[in-house]
Amino acid sequence: EVQLVESGGGLVQPGGSLRLSCAASGFTFSDYWMNWVRQAPGKGLEWVANIKQDGSEKNYVESVKGRFTVSRDNTKNSLFLEMNSLRVEDTAIYFCARDTPPKSSTWSSSLYWGPGTLVTVSS
Amino acid sequence: ENVLTQSPGTLSVSPGERATLSCRASQSVRYSYLAWYQQRPGQAPRLLIYGASNRAPGVPDRFSGSGSGTDFTLTISRLEPEDFAVYYCKQYVTSPITFGQGTRLEIK
Repeated sequence: EVQLVESGGGLVQPGGSLRLSCAASGFTFSDYWMNWVRQAPGKGLEWVANIKQDGSEKNYVESVKGRFTVSRDNTKNSLFLEMNSLRVEDTAIYFCARDTPPKSSTWSSSLYWGPGTLVTVSS
Repeated sequence: ENVLTQSPGTLSVSPGERATLSCRASQSVRYSYLAWYQQRPGQAPRLLIYGASNRAPGVPDRFSGSGSGTDFTLTISRLEPEDFAVYYCKQYVTSPITFGQGTRLEIK
């Protein structure tokens, strides 16, 4: 059974840092593009970043470029999101999501999602 | 950035009736790399449709997707109580990947 479980969320002050993790199981992690998607309280979904199977390609939404870094450890079946210079507007539930087909050179839809972890940026 | 605009913002429909949700892109979505997701309160999104018209595994056949280019539609043919939720479209062909703002489907 495919499982994705996020952790690392919490309360942080503006300007602070946080590192999110996503533990994957039930599939060959190194075969898939992985994504971070967030949802501010009461708002819609916003794609944040994705990373290629081998970590050689990373993409970000403009609002987090230079502040957030996506990475992965295929030996530990884990996805990470390093978040620096956090702003109040980064407050959201952060989901990790797996692209659907394995070994794809292009992005796809996301069939599997974790339950999310809440990040609150507030003084 | 390819901006996706969903309409209507809220749709009120009775159980058993048909619902039609629209997603319009500001730029053509190449290869019809357009997906639809359902999100119930307190849950992660659930993939319904990918490639504009392909149902994801386990999705009932009352859900169907259509469209190409800049105009896409999600149709739910006979609404069940569990279908009342928020629906998002998403394009995944150009960076940044973008979602529509969502359509809330509520019980009339």
